[in-house]
Amino acid sequence: DGGITQSPKYLFRKEGQNVTLSCEQNLNHDAMYWYRQDPGQGLRLIYYSQIVNDFQKGDIAEGYSVSREKKESFPLTVTSAQKNPTAFYLCASSIFLVAGANTEAFFGQGTRLTVV
Amino acid sequence: AQTVTQSQPEMSVQEAETVTLSCTYDTSESDYYLFWYKQPPSRQMILVIRQEAYKQQNATENRFSVNFQKAAKSFSLKISDSQLGDAAMYFCAYRSYNNDMRFGAGTRLTVKP
Repeated sequence: DGGITQSPKYLFRKEGQNVTLSCEQNLNHDAMYWYRQDPGQGLRLIYYSQIVNDFQKGDIAEGYSVSREKKESFPLTVTSAQKNPTAFYLCASSIFLVAGANTEAFFGQGTRLTVV
Repeated sequence: AQTVTQSQPEMSVQEAETVTLSCTYDTSESDYYLFWYKQPPSRQMILVIRQEAYKQQNATENRFSVNFQKAAKSFSLKISDSQLGDAAMYFCAYRSYNNDMRFGAGTRLTVKP
């Protein structure tokens, strides 16, 4: 089945540790995204990537890093510099935006990160 | 960067009635896409409807329709004949042709039986 997979579903991190969230898609999509969701704040863009080895910062990139070594994969690392990392993280992918095309973004099921 | 504003944190509607969710956005671009996504308690994001900015005709998908006012930068969602299964968080999203995609803060819709 084609889709986008995030893992793990739940993740616990000790303060001061880096942790990496996985996002894999087999939809042959070029664009991939990471969002953070907190209560009352909707989805805030962390990073997005349009092609391999290229990515752009979103509104809240500080304390996060990403890589795009393969088209299918866009892992997100939450570093110790992120002071309040407890949140729900969503990954999404889509084809490039082209007039008249199906431009729907497909989302993973999310990862709930908790700092303990 | 473009911003998306949803000014209604919560809305409530009686089953079978109609409700309208508001969304405004700020942009200097002339071509873009707008979306409404639904997030039920499972947290899975589901596309409800999409609108291409260069199309003047408002998009419609069964009970869901939009009122797209390009000059006013407004993109509201109308849900007709509301059903219990429509209860969810609804997010408005803006996508640029450079593939940047931003979301609003969301509106929590409650459907009363």
